[in-house]
Amino acid sequence: GENVEQHPSTLSVQEGDSAVIKCTYSDSASNYFPWYKQELGKRPQLIIDIRSNVGEKKDQRIAVTLNKTAKHFSLHITETQPEDSAVYFCAAKGTSYGKLTFGQGTILTVHP
Amino acid sequence: SAVISQKPSRDICQRGTSLTIQCQVDSQVTMMFWYRQQPGQSLTLIATANQGSEATYESGFVIDKFPISRPNLTFSTLTVSNMSPEDSSIYLCSVVEPSGNTIYFGEGSWLTVV
Repeated sequence: GENVEQHPSTLSVQEGDSAVIKCTYSDSASNYFPWYKQELGKRPQLIIDIRSNVGEKKDQRIAVTLNKTAKHFSLHITETQPEDSAVYFCAAKGTSYGKLTFGQGTILTVHP
Repeated sequence: SAVISQKPSRDICQRGTSLTIQCQVDSQVTMMFWYRQQPGQSLTLIATANQGSEATYESGFVIDKFPISRPNLTFSTLTVSNMSPEDSSIYLCSVVEPSGNTIYFGEGSWLTVV
């Protein structure tokens, strides 16, 4: 089955800096790659996603890139703010309808 | 996006008891999915709830421990049976947005087993 590796496990940045989280996946048939943000005591919230026919997608300060050949995708957050502090999860969906395999999570801390 | 409601939102349960979690969606969906998130961990898929047939369980999860019902296209329940402290987790249901690939989660049910 699908295996998703996420790095780093923790990331600490200063406000205004950029943050990058990287994930690799194993199933070349995977075609959907969402990113979720989870604040303490809350459910994971979808922040951005990308499909396999797209190489990059941007939404304001957040961008995701996908390299299908290398089977990796990354989340980029620019101009970080303290409210970006949370746990971020990448995930991949293979050919099985609706089933996501998650990375291990990255604890992002943005220092004011 | 789909609106997904879960009940209960939180509960403290006694060891050895069972608890049923409900998941209600505001639109008809083909499949509903149940995930578990143990403290400090990532999300792991427990099973896929299919309407009109038995749920499909992932490796490491069995029907006797996590029985699932799916009586219609907008509702599902997950029961956590004979609970132990190791079952203390967040349990989340998720659905695929009817219009496409996007996957959303319910608010989660925070269970603590004492």
